[in-house]
Amino acid sequence: DTEVTQTPKHLVMGMTNKKSLKCEQHMGHRAMYWYKQKAKKPPELMFVYSYEKLSINESVPSRFSPECPNSSLLNLHLHALQPEDSALYLCASSPPSGSYNEQFFGPGTRLTVL
Amino acid sequence: GENVEQHPSTLSVQEGDSAVIKCTYSDSASNYFPWYKQELGKRPQLIIDIRSNVGEKKDQRIAVTLNKTAKHFSLHITETQPEDSAVYFCAASTNTGGFKTIFGAGTRLFVKA
Repeated sequence: DTEVTQTPKHLVMGMTNKKSLKCEQHMGHRAMYWYKQKAKKPPELMFVYSYEKLSINESVPSRFSPECPNSSLLNLHLHALQPEDSALYLCASSPPSGSYNEQFFGPGTRLTVL
Repeated sequence: GENVEQHPSTLSVQEGDSAVIKCTYSDSASNYFPWYKQELGKRPQLIIDIRSNVGEKKDQRIAVTLNKTAKHFSLHITETQPEDSAVYFCAASTNTGGFKTIFGAGTRLFVKA
């Protein structure tokens, strides 16, 4: 398996809902990332997990809660989101190659908050 | 904070011409510079990258150059084809307490047949 997968592909949720995004890779990568991408904008880093530990949190609101249950799986739990949180949420992973950060992206989850 | 500037924001070329996209970065600790191609509705795909200990790298029609002193790096696409049309993002990455990648704003490339 040589790619990053994400589920669901699309998600529509209300502001009071609780939902989760899932990301999986079986390439032996030990760093995993969540990015948010708005239309016509670059990906914005949200969280970085390195060896299943949260190493970077880019001051993301607490309504986004990441979780890394094991080295292959990354979740993003969503609660009480706002309409402006509607975006493409991309997961990425990178191998444990020491100093360099070659990232591979999943196809993304397109989230709409009503 | 760290910043990556990318120019131009839009680039239109005739099929067969060359295209050049330029980026500058602010964090002198950056040591890895990937370029991603993103087609509409698709994921960003890594097309080429360069490490800080290298000045130039080429892969078929694509080449990247890095000037560490000036903190500039550029993407060169030769013999452009309509299927090269996409948004291209440059990025700069550091490994200080965790990998962090900052993306440029993107260049929308149109290749006219």
